[in-house]
Amino acid sequence: DAGVIQSPRHEVTEMGQEVTLRCKPISGHDYLFWYRQTMMRGLELLIYFNNNVPIDDSGMPEDRFSAKMPNASFSTLKIQPSEPRDSAVYFCASRTPGQGYTFGSGTRLTVV
Amino acid sequence: AQSVTQPDIHITVSEGASLELRCNYSYGATPYLFWYVQSPGQGLQLLLKYFSGDTLVQGIKGFEAEFKRSQSSFNLRKPSVHWSDAAEYFCAVGLMDSSYKLIFGSGTRLLVRP
Repeated sequence: DAGVIQSPRHEVTEMGQEVTLRCKPISGHDYLFWYRQTMMRGLELLIYFNNNVPIDDSGMPEDRFSAKMPNASFSTLKIQPSEPRDSAVYFCASRTPGQGYTFGSGTRLTVV
Repeated sequence: AQSVTQPDIHITVSEGASLELRCNYSYGATPYLFWYVQSPGQGLQLLLKYFSGDTLVQGIKGFEAEFKRSQSSFNLRKPSVHWSDAAEYFCAVGLMDSSYKLIFGSGTRLLVRP
């Protein structure tokens, strides 16, 4: 398995634009998590899915943020419209029973 | 509420010296416990994990951690630090409810003096 794959690695966009971050989890996972990392707030859990179903999105900062998991192999995190304060590194992680959690390399988002 | 505390924001050690990074957690049950390392611009790499059993856990790169239930601690240790160990280290608690959420500490940045 190639691990958790996130794309793009870097994204620079203008304020007001829509941004879509992508994640391909490890096969056999049961949970998928989206985290955001900033200097001020550290690693924050945004939303997580169990068997492709969103369970808790209480960490999503605003309605501008949305996430989907249309199948077990793919998830997206969308920000529309983006704002400079959304600049951060966004991580996707999948949990595999008995093995723990594997993180992707992250997407560094810069909103100018 | 569940929380993870890493009391040291920065630690500086000399190469070859021993290292201990502290981690305390607050949770109503025995959680799953993890240590991750993050190099600048990189993702999170798992160093070691504790699920149950032996409270002294061995990990990659020569790291180990000891779970102490009475102190709600899971400190990370290494007997001899290498310059390549300079990075940020995160302790995390995995909740044992149906969420399996990972709650992270704020991290400890390790600097290594030559």
